[in-house]
Amino acid sequence: LAKTTQPISMDSYEGQEVNITCSHNNIATNDYITWYQQFPSQGPRFIIQGYKTKVTNEVASLFIPADRKSSTLSLPRVSLSDTAVYYCLQDRGSTLGRLYFGRGTQLTVWP
Amino acid sequence: EAGVVQSPRYKIIEKKQPVAFWCNPISGHNTLYWYLQNLGQGPELLIRYENEEAVDDSQLPKDRFSAERLKGVDSTLKIQPAELGDSAVYLCASSLGPMNTEAFFGQGTRLTVV
Repeated sequence: LAKTTQPISMDSYEGQEVNITCSHNNIATNDYITWYQQFPSQGPRFIIQGYKTKVTNEVASLFIPADRKSSTLSLPRVSLSDTAVYYCLQDRGSTLGRLYFGRGTQLTVWP
Repeated sequence: EAGVVQSPRYKIIEKKQPVAFWCNPISGHNTLYWYLQNLGQGPELLIRYENEEAVDDSQLPKDRFSAERLKGVDSTLKIQPAELGDSAVYLCASSLGPMNTEAFFGQGTRLTVV
């Protein structure tokens, strides 16, 4: 299993930018980094995926340095509704691949 | 377009009883996953299907768990007999194929074994 390491929890206040870092030291050449978000009583929801450098969508940005051993999910100007668990996944996307979630990072946004 | 549909939403059963969960993936999605999620933990893969073939079931406790995906569409996950430790949320997800890691999840079935 391709495992990643991320903080168990983080706190922030409304309007701040939040950066969640994920470590994936054993990343393989054809692995992608994918982030999911999960609210209570719901299944995880895809946020963003990247291979290297920077990817941005309407929800977040993903920064992956040249060595690809870590990545940072950036959430601009968080609101209370961003309180959720965020999972960093390292996935091969091949017929042998699987989505391995780990424990994720509980982000709590305070007013 | 409807997302991944799971039923029932909640289920309470006594230990040693059988239970079944149903999943209808997004139309056209060939890959289907069943995950188990315990409180405070991330989802753990039980089984992955590519069409009707189970290509990864190494994490499925085969002594009591079984799954099927007839005709490569809907899927059923069964536990028989259920144990107290099976209490968890069972999530179904689907994606277009093995090379596409954007998986879409259902809301899950919360199982309580008493």
